[in-house]
Amino acid sequence: EPEVTQTPSHQVTQMGQEVILRCVPISNHLYFYWYRQILGQKVEFLVSFYNNEISEKSEIFDDQFSVERPDGSNFTLKIRSTKLEDSAMYFCASKASGSSGELFFGEGSRLTVL
Amino acid sequence: SQQGEEDPQALSIQEGENATMNCSYKTSINNLQWYRQNSGRGLVHLILIRSNEREKHSGRLRVTLDTSKKSSSLLITASRAADTASYFCATVSDNRDDKIIFGKGTRLHILP
Repeated sequence: EPEVTQTPSHQVTQMGQEVILRCVPISNHLYFYWYRQILGQKVEFLVSFYNNEISEKSEIFDDQFSVERPDGSNFTLKIRSTKLEDSAMYFCASKASGSSGELFFGEGSRLTVL
Repeated sequence: SQQGEEDPQALSIQEGENATMNCSYKTSINNLQWYRQNSGRGLVHLILIRSNEREKHSGRLRVTLDTSKKSSSLLITASRAADTASYFCATVSDNRDDKIIFGKGTRLHILP
């Protein structure tokens, strides 16, 4: 069964360092998302990506964040200069179609900022 | 901003009982979805109900939607220990089909 894969599963970094989280969405999906979940809390929308551009972003997704789909298969989230409060689980998700589509999530990347 | 809010925040019931979780939201929606998350794992889609539907079933799951009250409920019948997880509702706006907003979730614990 097709699945969304994310790497790394866990990354520890020093405050101020750049981090890149990688995702391989399901191959025929058209919409891509990043969400974040601080331990035990709500799942927060960060950004959606469609047709090779950002279609929607939240207030959390400031200038420190960027996304790319560099090669038609990978979908990356970059945090330029990490802060302590960026520590969270980051989930990538994809869906095949528009409003009627369900999201398929990866297992997440746990980011710990020291 | 549009947001699903589930209640209760946490629910503990005996195995075999039914579990009901509720979700309220603020703006017009195209559809509402329910997801499940096992501890430390990714979310898994359970069921989707469109704004023109009032009730939907899938196995032991029953979802209702009341657009006049902007609320939905998820019923899990004959609960099992394996149903222990967090359950989230997610709303899809009727004018933005690419932004899916999750609520805070209900932590369900099934007691053996």
